[in-house]
Amino acid sequence: DGGITQSPKYLFRKEGQNVTLSCEQNLNHDAMYWYRQDPGQGLRLIYYSQIVNDFQKGDIAEGYSVSREKKESFPLTVTSAQKNPTAFYLCASLGIYSNQPQHFGDGTRLSIL
Amino acid sequence: GESVGLHLPTLSVQEGDNSIINCAYSNSASDYFIWYKQESGKGPQFIIDIRSNMDKRQGQRVTVLLNKTVKHLSLQIAATQPGDSAVYFCADHTGRRALTFGSGTRLQVQP
Repeated sequence: DGGITQSPKYLFRKEGQNVTLSCEQNLNHDAMYWYRQDPGQGLRLIYYSQIVNDFQKGDIAEGYSVSREKKESFPLTVTSAQKNPTAFYLCASLGIYSNQPQHFGDGTRLSIL
Repeated sequence: GESVGLHLPTLSVQEGDNSIINCAYSNSASDYFIWYKQESGKGPQFIIDIRSNMDKRQGQRVTVLLNKTVKHLSLQIAATQPGDSAVYFCADHTGRRALTFGSGTRLQVQP
């Protein structure tokens, strides 16, 4: 089955540590997205990439970094500069046609130790 | 800035009743809207979408209504079942940049 795989499901970060969240898709989608979700809140865009080797900042990019070296992979690094990283992180992808829904993974929950 | 928001944070209905979840948007240029269902600890799942050239679209037990005059969307779920309990989001996906989400409405189905 085609889909989006996020790993790990749960992740703990120590003070001053960078952590990387994995997102892999086998849908052959060009565009990929990272969102952050806080309790009782909607999703906020962190970064997105519409093509390999290119990505753009979203609304809350500070303290995060991404790379897009392969079409199927879009890892997110939560750096030590992100002072409030505890949240649920969701990765999504989108094919080439307009007006179609994004596909989401099942998320990674990041907590501070 | 532009936003998509929801009127009610929690909706409680009896099993078998119809549910209506509302959503307002502010971007008059928005032309494509999606409703997602999110269960606890999971990613959003697509339910139904609607383009701005339509007023209504029906799926299996779900109907989305779009009122462009007042910039309002609604999701109607017929014969609500316990499995429908989740958080429902409306999202504006105009262009390919990303979705703009409201904060969500939690639907609780009472047996």
